[in-house]
Amino acid sequence: SQQGEEDPQALSIQEGENATMNCSYKTSINNLQWYRQNSGRGLVHLILIRSNEREKHSGRLRVTLDTSKKSSSLLITASRAADTASYFCATTSGTYKYIFGTGTRLKVLA
Amino acid sequence: GAVVSQHPSWVICKSGTSVKIECRSLDFQATTMFWYRQFPKQSLMLMATSNEGSKATYEQGVEKDKFLINHASLTLSTLTVTSAHPEDSSFYICSAFQRGRGRDTEAFFGQGTRLTVV
Repeated sequence: SQQGEEDPQALSIQEGENATMNCSYKTSINNLQWYRQNSGRGLVHLILIRSNEREKHSGRLRVTLDTSKKSSSLLITASRAADTASYFCATTSGTYKYIFGTGTRLKVLA
Repeated sequence: GAVVSQHPSWVICKSGTSVKIECRSLDFQATTMFWYRQFPKQSLMLMATSNEGSKATYEQGVEKDKFLINHASLTLSTLTVTSAHPEDSSFYICSAFQRGRGRDTEAFFGQGTRLTVV
């Protein structure tokens, strides 16, 4: 399977703490994207990082990309209860086809 | 951002019947749409690529006779689960890319359809 892997599979933190989740993938990529999914709902796009970029910020989100290690990380700072969701990375390698990671289930405790 | 609408949001059907799920791009044209399947607490698995005006491309292990895909227009793709069985119960999600935008862009996802076969 080409599916990427994410770790941890599940993460439980207190409100206000930072949450870090990692994604590893197997093939060369054009870009990597992070998505959020609330339970039983569709996906919401969070951030896109291109293969020639190393770091990107968007609000409380910080994404890094290390193409030599085929890995990416998503950092959510000052987490809130509303951040409770599953987070997926997805990669594309020159086509529109997305390969999703296994996901991290984040729970932020109030 | 662009909007992709999926209908229905949930459906319960009897074993042996067929179910059609629609995926519409509401404010843009999508030459390519994708259908994913997601089991509880698992990731999204790509089932097939739907191309407007041509046959869908199915991923390995996906039965094309069971999961019929039709992309009849630039704004609509349908997935029909034929002769559904309880093991077909799952969450199905579509995504679409906006025509004319580069590949280095985000996909827009529908809200998903929860199918339960009883």
